[in-house]
Amino acid sequence: EDQVTQSPEALRLQEGESSSLNCSYTVSGLRGLFWYRQDPGKGPEFLFTLYSAGEEKEKERLKATLTKKESFLHITAPKPEDSATYLCAVHAGTYKYIFGTGTRLKVLA
Amino acid sequence: NAGVTQTPKFQVLKTGQSMTLQCAQDMNHEYMSWYRQDPGMGLRLIHYSVGAGITDQGEVPNGYNVSRSTTEDFPLRLLSAAPSQTSVYFCASSYADGYEQYFGPGTRLTVT
Repeated sequence: EDQVTQSPEALRLQEGESSSLNCSYTVSGLRGLFWYRQDPGKGPEFLFTLYSAGEEKEKERLKATLTKKESFLHITAPKPEDSATYLCAVHAGTYKYIFGTGTRLKVLA
Repeated sequence: NAGVTQTPKFQVLKTGQSMTLQCAQDMNHEYMSWYRQDPGMGLRLIHYSVGAGITDQGEVPNGYNVSRSTTEDFPLRLLSAAPSQTSVYFCASSYADGYEQYFGPGTRLTVT
């Protein structure tokens, strides 16, 4: 069965304290992996798409990486405005997307 | 561009009532979809459309209907609301399958 698991469920960081969020997946045929950011009371906002193992993408303080079994979202020197829930989603088939339950990140000033 | 818009923002229904959640996008995207988000669960696909006049079921379609008469609009109809349909509903659009999705702000629905 196709599955996506995100860890940790919640993470509290001090401003400037770098860390990583994990998205592990089990799918029969990965077509792509997406990272989204979701602020409270709002819809998810697209961050990155990764297609193959070894691929990396960066945007400001965020860097996403992909292996054959998992993806990491690295946050370098986070700021309070990086506080949000981060979702990963796997494109597992035609019009088939499996979302993880997300990691709630809180960055303290 | 407004992106993806949804109305209403909040709605309370009684069991058995029906209603339509509205969704519109101004990006000329062919692919549109409806998800529900429940605590402790990932977003789950209800219905999707790959173009005007073409819709299909997702993972959790029971109790919901959709239609797509134009590229811009993709309404979701609840036929007879049940407490199990209490959730936050998101509409999304994308250029095509496999591309990033753009989400609306959501509708928080409570069924009593």
